[in-house]
Amino acid sequence: GENVEQHPSTLSVQEGDSAVIKCTYSDSASNYFPWYKQELGKRPQLIIDIRSNVGEKKDQRIAVTLNKTAKHFSLHITETQPEDSAVYFCAAPSGATNKLIFGTGTLLAVQP
Amino acid sequence: GAGVSQSPSNKVTEKGKDVELRCDPISGHTALYWYRQSLGQGLEFLIYFQGNSAPDKSGLPSDRFSAERTGGSVSTLTIQRTQQEDSAVYLCASSFGFTVNGYTFGSGTRLTVV
Repeated sequence: GENVEQHPSTLSVQEGDSAVIKCTYSDSASNYFPWYKQELGKRPQLIIDIRSNVGEKKDQRIAVTLNKTAKHFSLHITETQPEDSAVYFCAAPSGATNKLIFGTGTLLAVQP
Repeated sequence: GAGVSQSPSNKVTEKGKDVELRCDPISGHTALYWYRQSLGQGLEFLIYFQGNSAPDKSGLPSDRFSAERTGGSVSTLTIQRTQQEDSAVYLCASSFGFTVNGYTFGSGTRLTVV
């Protein structure tokens, strides 16, 4: 089955700096890679996703890049703000199913 | 409804009791998922329903856990003879279609076994 590894587990940046979170996956057939943001005590919310037919996708200050050859994908947040502080999870599908396997999460702290 | 609704939001139960957790997915979403999140931990897959297909139960941690989805809509996760290690937030999510798409999560049920 799919195995998703996520690094780093914690990340502290100064407001205005960039943050990068990386994930690797094991199933070469995986074709969909979402990122979720979970604020303290709240539900995970989808912030961006990418399908395997593109290498990069941007939405304002966030972007996701995908390297299918190396089987890794990354979340990039530019011009970080305190409200970006949260736990971020990556995920990849298990086999030819809709079941997502999640990474272990990255706690991002943006220092004002 | 407008979102995924879960009830109760909090449940405290005594060890050994049975509990039922309810999830009402977004109308029209064909897929429904249950995950478990222990304190400060990641999202552990439990079970997945897709349309009328047999559910994928591969993530259920023991035979004390079961789930059903009636009429392709509401789902109930049942934990029998609860143990302290069952304490966690149980998250339900739903998604549209038969190809993989982003999930919409509910707010979860926080289960505490005392």
